[in-house]
Amino acid sequence: QVQLVQSGAEVKKPGASVKVSCKASGYTFTNYYLHWVRQAPGQGLEWLGLIDPSSVSTSYAQKLQARITMSRDTSTSTVYMELSSLQSEDTAVYFCARFKWELGGFDSWGQGTLVTVSS
Amino acid sequence: DIQMTQSPSTLSASIGDRVTITCRASQSISNYLAWYQQKPGTAPKLLIYKASNLKSGVPSRFSGSGSGTEFTLTISSLQPDDFATYYCQRYNSYSLTFGGGTTVEIK
Repeated sequence: QVQLVQSGAEVKKPGASVKVSCKASGYTFTNYYLHWVRQAPGQGLEWLGLIDPSSVSTSYAQKLQARITMSRDTSTSTVYMELSSLQSEDTAVYFCARFKWELGGFDSWGQGTLVTVSS
Repeated sequence: DIQMTQSPSTLSASIGDRVTITCRASQSISNYLAWYQQKPGTAPKLLIYKASNLKSGVPSRFSGSGSGTEFTLTISSLQPDDFATYYCQRYNSYSLTFGGGTTVEIK
């Protein structure tokens, strides 16, 4: 079955960077876009961007374009999301999710990674 | 960027009630809209895709309608398992936006 397994929780100081991984299994890795979504405590869902694992092309949310980088490693079927210049407002649970074009939505999600930014 | 506005932000209802949640897009998105249910501490779950299609395994009391800029999610008879937060989501090939969410609470 499809599984997305994310790396563990992180605690970072303001100004630092964080890199979260998402390892896919149970399907052909290059056939589906993977997206990143975050959710600050008590808040709604915020889309961060996407990566096409087959072409490595990316698209990012405008507000984060200067600070976010998504990458992939096809040998391990893993995608990465790196966010730099962290501030307290970046404290959130970060999810990776598989986008299925036939559905126009996310049919599988990672378990979430809590990133806490605190001095 | 296309903005998605959900209403209401919170809704109080009783078991058996018919519940309707609205999502409006700042410009036409055709039928490129999905609905999700999220419970605390868990990832969202896809309910409806392409505005009106029920995902396999989702109870038939959930339905979606609309096109263009106005969309609705309806729960025909609210069940205990339905108390949760619901999000709409629009997409195209290079971007995606969620609505602000609607929390359905027990009245």
